[in-house]
Amino acid sequence: DAKTTQPNSMESNEEEPVHLPCNHSTISGTDYIHWYRQLPSQGPEYVIHGLTSNVNNRMASLAIAEDRKSSTLILHRATLRDAAVYYCILRPTEEYGNKLVFGAGTILRVKS
Amino acid sequence: DGGITQSPKYLFRKEGQNVTLSCEQNLNHDAMYWYRQDPGQGLRLIYYSQIVNDFQKGDIAEGYSVSREKKESFPLTVTSAQKNPTAFYLCASSDQGRRNSPLHFGNGTRLTVT
Repeated sequence: DAKTTQPNSMESNEEEPVHLPCNHSTISGTDYIHWYRQLPSQGPEYVIHGLTSNVNNRMASLAIAEDRKSSTLILHRATLRDAAVYYCILRPTEEYGNKLVFGAGTILRVKS
Repeated sequence: DGGITQSPKYLFRKEGQNVTLSCEQNLNHDAMYWYRQDPGQGLRLIYYSQIVNDFQKGDIAEGYSVSREKKESFPLTVTSAQKNPTAFYLCASSDQGRRNSPLHFGNGTRLTVT
């Protein structure tokens, strides 16, 4: 399985934008980039996914580098409720089995 | 509201006992999954099922068993053969018919074996 690398932790101030990086230098051409987040004592929740183009939804934006070897999850205005572990995952398109591999992720701390 | 229900939230067992964790979904999803999470670590896949009456081993299936007799239900049994059963167990489901459909997770069962 292709591997992703994320910083162990990041800190942000409330109401400011947060850029969470992810490196995936061994990504294949058919791998989608998925992001999930996990609040304390809860199951992960889906945030966003993309293939080549940048993507926006109500939760976040995903910026994908032109060579696809890295991506950045952008939270436009961090709130205290955004404090969570954020996982960047690669998912092959040919695999309906959805066997997502979750690494340790990035712990995001938000200061008020 | 549709979702995944895992019960109980906390479970305590003595070493040597088998224990079954419940997972029910009303999302009409074909695929269901069990993950294990240890403190400070990511999730590891135990078993997954893409359709009723079929399931496959994940990366850490030893010491676990599952069944998928109904679409809505995917119970996980932690057997006495599992060497380190204390962990946070997460169940998930997804729509098999849509590529890249997200996984929907339950809120987990925290199992403590002493």
